[in-house]
Amino acid sequence: GAVVSQHPSRVICKSGTSVKIECRSLDFQATTMFWYRQFPKQSLMLMATSNEGSKATYEQGVEKDKFLINHASLTLSTLTVTSAHPEDSSFYICSAKSPGQETQYFGPGTRLLVL
Amino acid sequence: AQTVTQSQPEMSVQEAETVTLSCTYDTSESDYYLFWYKQPPSRQMILVIRQEAYKQQNATENRFSVNFQKAAKSFSLKISDSQLGDAAMYFCAVGGSNYKLTFGKGTLLTVNP
Repeated sequence: GAVVSQHPSRVICKSGTSVKIECRSLDFQATTMFWYRQFPKQSLMLMATSNEGSKATYEQGVEKDKFLINHASLTLSTLTVTSAHPEDSSFYICSAKSPGQETQYFGPGTRLLVL
Repeated sequence: AQTVTQSQPEMSVQEAETVTLSCTYDTSESDYYLFWYKQPPSRQMILVIRQEAYKQQNATENRFSVNFQKAAKSFSLKISDSQLGDAAMYFCAVGGSNYKLTFGKGTLLTVNP
């Protein structure tokens, strides 16, 4: 149980385009999902918290207009990187938790490369 | 605010031996949770073990156990009978009432055959 998927696993795009990453909880309902960014050989940095049916809350320094988050159902959250630039290249990981539980289960991550 | 410190950037252990990874943390919350996650080369984050701060008993999961010292704000991970598949980056994390996790910088564990 507690499986989280992400799609795509890797994406290459041109500078200026937008990229959407999906995060799905496959066998549980996730009222809360989290989006992280991880640079090579570094730790995970929380970008935002996504709550089903409400606006996402962003961490300090994360541009909400740059990283659009939608959590339209109990099993799906999406992160859209708008007008991507090379500095947005990174590994993006989502996690999900079910109501009343503290443990986050992580997706396999998405490697984004912006040319 | 929460902080997590992992003072060992790299550790190595011989197969079948025991290794302990260190973690200290700080939090202003009275109710919180502690986690160890493993990230192998695939980069999939895998939950290794969790500990509720209100529980005095140390958590164990098969070959993995923790030494939770609440007063010292220490949460070390012991891996017994190390296996080649244990080689990975290990992250210590603390979570509070808002369920957000704060991660340490990680310890890269190498297992030597």
